Amino acid sequence: GAGVSQSPRYKVAKRGQDVALRCDPISGHVSLFWYQQALGQGPEFLTYFQNEAQLDKSGLPSDRFFAERPEGSVSTLKIQRTQQEDSAVYLCASSLTRTGETQYFGPGTRLLVL
Amino acid sequence: GIQVEQSPPDLILQEGANSTLRCNFSDSVNNLQWFHQNPWGQLINLFYIPSGTKQNGRLSATTVATERYSLLYISSSQTTDSGVYFCAQGGGYQKVTFGIGTKLQVIP
Repeated sequence: GAGVSQSPRYKVAKRGQDVALRCDPISGHVSLFWYQQALGQGPEFLTYFQNEAQLDKSGLPSDRFFAERPEGSVSTLKIQRTQQEDSAVYLCASSLTRTGETQYFGPGTRLLVL
Repeated sequence: GIQVEQSPPDLILQEGANSTLRCNFSDSVNNLQWFHQNPWGQLINLFYIPSGTKQNGRLSATTVATERYSLLYISSSQTTDSGVYFCAQGGGYQKVTFGIGTKLQVIP
């Protein structure tokens, strides 16, 4: 594809629901990153994949957050038992290189937990 | 982890003016990148610049890795330059860290 795509673009969830956010990176990109961006803040790192391997998940805020990239392309970020503090924009980025140079971002998924 | 400080936090420019945005790092940097987030939230990569100087049209960036800072120059600003500018470092085996951004408003 032409760029990184994410779906859904908007998600409203009731507190306690599980949600799944999808990221389609640029074809052939090795590295994939997930970020969380609160209003008025910079993106905060959540997790990083190199192909299908999740090499860093130190930014995941709790064990309710889980990410996977089983075939080294599409990735899913799952949030279980959503809480109001999970409301944010979730951004996905991909990079051609293993070291994450020149990241290309998707449009983000705006999650609102009521 | 590495701390990333950006200045100024806010900037208002008259169309046509020039500006310099700064990014300071608390330690040696890796994979320094500059991004522009437009008013609709889309992040666009402007430069990958771990060291040296690069130019792209009206924008240029310089990173002095030994002194732990990077600068983004915007010349002849246009209203479409409005948005938030972020610098970020890291990638691969090093956690990516973004600064808090510089919010730029260019007025006609």
